[in-house]
Amino acid sequence: QSALTQPASVSGSPGQSITISCTGTSSDVGSYNLVSWYQQHPGKAPKLMIYEGSKRPSGVSNRFSGSKSGNTASLTISGLQAEDEADYYCCSYAGSSTPVVFGGGTKLTVL
Amino acid sequence: QVQLQESGPGLVKPSQTLSLTCTVSGGSISSGSYYWSWIRQPAGKGLEWIGRIYTSGSTNYNPSLKSRVTISVDTSKNQFSLKLSSVTAADTAVYYCARAGRYFDWHSWGQGTLVTVSS
Repeated sequence: QSALTQPASVSGSPGQSITISCTGTSSDVGSYNLVSWYQQHPGKAPKLMIYEGSKRPSGVSNRFSGSKSGNTASLTISGLQAEDEADYYCCSYAGSSTPVVFGGGTKLTVL
Repeated sequence: QVQLQESGPGLVKPSQTLSLTCTVSGGSISSGSYYWSWIRQPAGKGLEWIGRIYTSGSTNYNPSLKSRVTISVDTSKNQFSLKLSSVTAADTAVYYCARAGRYFDWHSWGQGTLVTVSS
């Protein structure tokens, strides 16, 4: 069982927007604005899409955005494209004793 | 742009030690304030952070693996390494090396290497 809770799957049609939630606790997501999001296509390494809650690395489309409310972080993808179909993982800093925790991953299907 | 490449045996026997090396190119492993991590992913499952080493040589490990993990760095070869002792079938996974800032934002990843634990 993962420390952070994500929906197992979400889906949307091309052009639509979807949001993936990532629920933690007051010890991780709720205490730090240090959630990152990774996209992983089959057989490939994960790719950083969002870090420090809402920052986008250079080269990542502005269709991807991150936010947080309380103990839940969210990844929103607008203007869905076929290439967005992948697994998405959230990750949060959780302090010095257990420094990092992951979500179990969400499979995004573009219909 | 920094690139990372994992290498090591793809098959390890139960109870033995898994050893992997990550070779860094396109930049010095000693420069900048970066943390160099190992992360693994069993087939069909999620990601698990194993541990990391800072450019100074200081380390942090996942508490659930700490008793079996050693991460070291060889700056002369621009490499860092993972040793995981007393492996079982549960350690079978794709192992990735990655570079991050202080708060686990892994901007750069290796392609991953599959390690199977089997007799």
